[in-house]
Amino acid sequence: GQQLNQSPQSMFIQEGEDVSMNCTSSSIFNTWLWYKQDPGEGPVLLIALYKAGELTSNGRLTAQFGITRKDSFLNISASIPSDVGIYFCAPMNYGGSQGNLIFGKGTKLSVKP
Amino acid sequence: NAGVTQTPKFQVLKTGQSMTLQCAQDMNHEYMSWYRQDPGMGLRLIHYSVGAGITDQGEVPNGYNVSRSTTEDFPLRLLSAAPSQTSVYFCASSYRQGSFEQYFGPGTRLTVT
Repeated sequence: GQQLNQSPQSMFIQEGEDVSMNCTSSSIFNTWLWYKQDPGEGPVLLIALYKAGELTSNGRLTAQFGITRKDSFLNISASIPSDVGIYFCAPMNYGGSQGNLIFGKGTKLSVKP
Repeated sequence: NAGVTQTPKFQVLKTGQSMTLQCAQDMNHEYMSWYRQDPGMGLRLIHYSVGAGITDQGEVPNGYNVSRSTTEDFPLRLLSAAPSQTSVYFCASSYRQGSFEQYFGPGTRLTVT
């Protein structure tokens, strides 16, 4: 079956540091999504990537869709305490009949002020 | 718009008891889904529905039933609760299957003793 690996599992960083996390899949997808879950809340969409090689920014967040369409990474620059939470990658085939999201196991981010 | 609402927020059950987790959305979304979140496991899809009257199984459907009699509501039933069903349950909805922006409810934290 399909395998999705997200790393690292957790990160403990100092405020102001940059963060990098990534996901790799055994299957090809045409869309990569990144979600963030604040403590005690449901996940919220951060960034959507539609094209292999695409680099997209949203404020201090930058995400890239790998050329092979099997991977993606998310960077957060100059982290702040409100970046705390769990970050999930979620690849899918947008527009297809099999549009169920598959989530990575998450990267738990802790930020020390 | 209330978005996606879930009740209850917390629940404790004894093994063998049954209960229904409620989920409702007011965005006229066709697609609704249920996930469970366990530490280190990410979000796993239990059941989903592409419209009223249509449901299907996700990755971990055993022990759960769903029905979708209206567009707005998608309840999840536990027929005979087991300790392995202790988890946080999230309901989500999107415009249609294959839409990348899924809106999540706040979650129900269930403990089965």
